[in-house]
Amino acid sequence: DTEVTQTPKHLVMGMTNKKSLKCEQHMGHRAMYWYKQKAKKPPELMFVYSYEKLSINESVPSRFSPECPNSSLLNLHLHALQPEDSALYLCASSQDPGQGFREQYFGPGTRLTVT
Amino acid sequence: RKEVEQDPGPFNVPEGATVAFNCTYSNSASQSFFWYRQDCRKEPKLLMSVYSSGNEDGRFTAQLNRASQYISLLIRDSKLSDSATYLCVVNEGGGFKTIFGAGTRLFVKA
Repeated sequence: DTEVTQTPKHLVMGMTNKKSLKCEQHMGHRAMYWYKQKAKKPPELMFVYSYEKLSINESVPSRFSPECPNSSLLNLHLHALQPEDSALYLCASSQDPGQGFREQYFGPGTRLTVT
Repeated sequence: RKEVEQDPGPFNVPEGATVAFNCTYSNSASQSFFWYRQDCRKEPKLLMSVYSSGNEDGRFTAQLNRASQYISLLIRDSKLSDSATYLCVVNEGGGFKTIFGAGTRLFVKA
């Protein structure tokens, strides 16, 4: 089973709202990722968690706040977003990175629109 | 120079054709390489990992050329369902940082 689930599928929020994106995997993967993808562009890495600790923050604005409550769950908390933050937000996971980088498996994404 | 470069295409090919994509990378310390496919408004799906010895999965063959710093994907006997964007993904130095190429768009026509 290589399934990563994400909720919600679609989200429309105003610039003053607070919302959260959720991601879950049950593959026993110990690395989880958030990506942002704009139309006709490749995914851009935002955050990486390894063993529930933040390993990479690609200089993402603080209005995006990641959280990894346990090895299966990854959240992305959103606050005071801008219209240019509208995009597809993808979660991914991969196996234990200790033996070299492994392939990532992506969830279906949350399509976010900021009005 | 971009870290990972792909010809954006589009490649328009008839069913049954053989088509090849290349992807070049700039960091010689890159260690892991992958091809993903992405359908319109869907998530990327892993197509193949690319090994030093090359690998084949049915109609798909991937190869790595470390000396020239490129990877390739060959699709034989193209099907309509192969129409998608093909993303080259490179992992640098064994850490978590992965770089996606901009993708190559393939249209297979009847």
